[in-house]
Amino acid sequence: DIQMTQSPSSLSASVGDRVTITCRASQSINNYLNWYQQKPGKAPKLLIYDASSLQSGVPSRFSGSGSGTDFTLTITSLQPEDFATYYCQQGDSSPLTFGGGTEVEIK
Amino acid sequence: QITLKESGPTLVKPTQTLTVTCTFSGFSLSTIGVGVGWIRQPPGKALEWLAHIYWNDAKRYSPSLNNRLTITKDTSKNQVVLTVTNMDPVDTATYYCAHRRGPTGWAVDYWGQGTLVTVSS
Repeated sequence: DIQMTQSPSSLSASVGDRVTITCRASQSINNYLNWYQQKPGKAPKLLIYDASSLQSGVPSRFSGSGSGTDFTLTITSLQPEDFATYYCQQGDSSPLTFGGGTEVEIK
Repeated sequence: QITLKESGPTLVKPTQTLTVTCTFSGFSLSTIGVGVGWIRQPPGKALEWLAHIYWNDAKRYSPSLNNRLTITKDTSKNQVVLTVTNMDPVDTATYYCAHRRGPTGWAVDYWGQGTLVTVSS
């Protein structure tokens, strides 16, 4: 199985801050790396697919980068509605696997 | 407009078999490239991929569940069914149905609302 390691597991930030979350795969995943946002009691929402493609309807303050095994999700100016948990997921090979999540909290 | 909705029991006893059904609309599981999967999330924990099925009936399972999973589709009813045998309290989770975004890679662009299944005697 491909292991996905996310860091940090949690962070505190203020509105307007730039936030970066990283995800590392245990082997190359051909850029099939996806990012999701999840709020309490809700299903996850796709933000970024294939490492850097912005899903339709997602604000442009969200961006993804990286290749091979190392990937990054960046939120350029954190908004109140962005406080949530973020997950990476590799979509390259079965079994598909998720990172452990990053909880973004209000400072 | 794509929608998915999970249905099934909210409570099962240990050792019982869980059957959850995903009923969807807005796409066909006979279209080349389409896939539907199941993902679960124990309370307060991370997401875990369980299984998925493709338009051509190819299936993939999480090896960590040790052959307890079976996924099937009924294209005429627009349904995908997941069974999990020998349920245990650690299987308590919200079970989500998921639509594959495109024909390459596996990203989920549409999710069901999820159904919470509790395993308890």
